[in-house]
Amino acid sequence: QQNVQQSPESLIVPEGARTSLNCTFSDSASQYFWWYRQHSGKAPKALMSIFSNGEKEEGRFTIHLNKASLHFSLHIRDSQPSDSALYLCAVSMGYAQGLTFGLGTRVSVFP
Amino acid sequence: GGIITQTPKFLIGQEGQKLTLKCQQNFNHDTMYWYRQDSGKGLRLIYYSITENDLQKGDLSEGYDASREKKSSFSLTVTSAQKNEMAVFLCASSPRTGGGAETLYFGSGTRLTVL
Repeated sequence: QQNVQQSPESLIVPEGARTSLNCTFSDSASQYFWWYRQHSGKAPKALMSIFSNGEKEEGRFTIHLNKASLHFSLHIRDSQPSDSALYLCAVSMGYAQGLTFGLGTRVSVFP
Repeated sequence: GGIITQTPKFLIGQEGQKLTLKCQQNFNHDTMYWYRQDSGKGLRLIYYSITENDLQKGDLSEGYDASREKKSSFSLTVTSAQKNEMAVFLCASSPRTGGGAETLYFGSGTRLTVL
């Protein structure tokens, strides 16, 4: 059974700083890796995904994936107060397996 | 674009009561999901369905039933409500087979309170 762990549980960063979030997974056969973001009282929304080892950048956001280490991360450059949210990582094994989510990292960015 | 509508937004029931949550999507997506979120934490998969009349159990299916009678709708029944399952129930959909390569689109949730 897949086990997805996130660290840290919470993070407080000043506006303009770099934020780094971590996610580890237990099953080396995992294929798809996602970050979702959930603002308070709102629905989770997909932020970014990565399907092969390496790095992917979209605007201020970068994902790193290292399958051998069973680890992927999300980095936010120039953090903004609007980035304050619960960040959820998620992993899938493939066809008809659904997504397994971590417990989340709560990020607070103060001006 | 599309939308996922969950009803009701708030559901209050008595311990031991049978309660039903409903979800409708107009994306024309094949796969639909029910997740449970406790106290602003992560999501745990209860049931998902990759097509009409298909049901797949997630890790948290005990104590729940689901029904997918139409492509656009997916309902979840709490068979006997317990106080330790007060949570937000999130419905989601994705375009195809639920294989994990597609984005999940979530509804805004049903908050369950058990008295």
